Amino acid sequence: ETGVTQTPRHLVMGMTNKKSLKCEQHLGHNAMYWYKQSAKKPLELMFVYNFKEQTENNSVPSRFSPECPNSSHLFLHLHTLQPEDSALYLCASSQDWGRLGSGNTIYFGEGSWLTVV
Amino acid sequence: RKEVEQDPGPFNVPEGATVAFNCTYSNSASQSFFWYRQDCRKEPKLLMSVYSSGNEDGRFTAQLNRASQYISLLIRDSKLSDSATYLCVVNRSNSGNTPLVFGKGTRLSVIA
Repeated sequence: ETGVTQTPRHLVMGMTNKKSLKCEQHLGHNAMYWYKQSAKKPLELMFVYNFKEQTENNSVPSRFSPECPNSSHLFLHLHTLQPEDSALYLCASSQDWGRLGSGNTIYFGEGSWLTVV
Repeated sequence: RKEVEQDPGPFNVPEGATVAFNCTYSNSASQSFFWYRQDCRKEPKLLMSVYSSGNEDGRFTAQLNRASQYISLLIRDSKLSDSATYLCVVNRSNSGNTPLVFGKGTRLSVIA
């Protein structure tokens, strides 16, 4: 059983829809992340939250809107997406955002498969 | 030069074989290194951290070569269950807040 849970696992949405991805971590971590994984591309960091505060926005288009109400929950609100946004969206957490190292690395949820039609 | 580069493979090896992957990184200031494993349509999972002196975990051995800026993963006595994509992950720096950088991964297929 993973310490990071994501819902929904699969989502199909039209380009005019509004939907949200939800992530919850049960590891007592302080940092949470959204990553995007597209076919034949490396994992792309989208957003980082540390102690509920956004510390990284990796030039993500505004049609992706993150929300972090507390250290255990993270949302990704989706609005007017494009077909090229279809991908696996992975939530992750780590003890801290800073000083990632051997004793402090990131743990992923199972991901949400998003298809935009 | 890409920040983290891996041979995408696939590496097709018979059961019981020994296989090794290399991963090169471009930022000499990088301090922390990891190997993650990702099964098909699953999330990446931490396989092992890579320490300066090299480290071993059962059939898996990780090595770091700072002079040549690469890390390696050696798998001995390959099992069918080792079939997966192996992601090389590098932390740019230990000073301040920096994100992990992921390679595209090397695909391994162990054949009966």
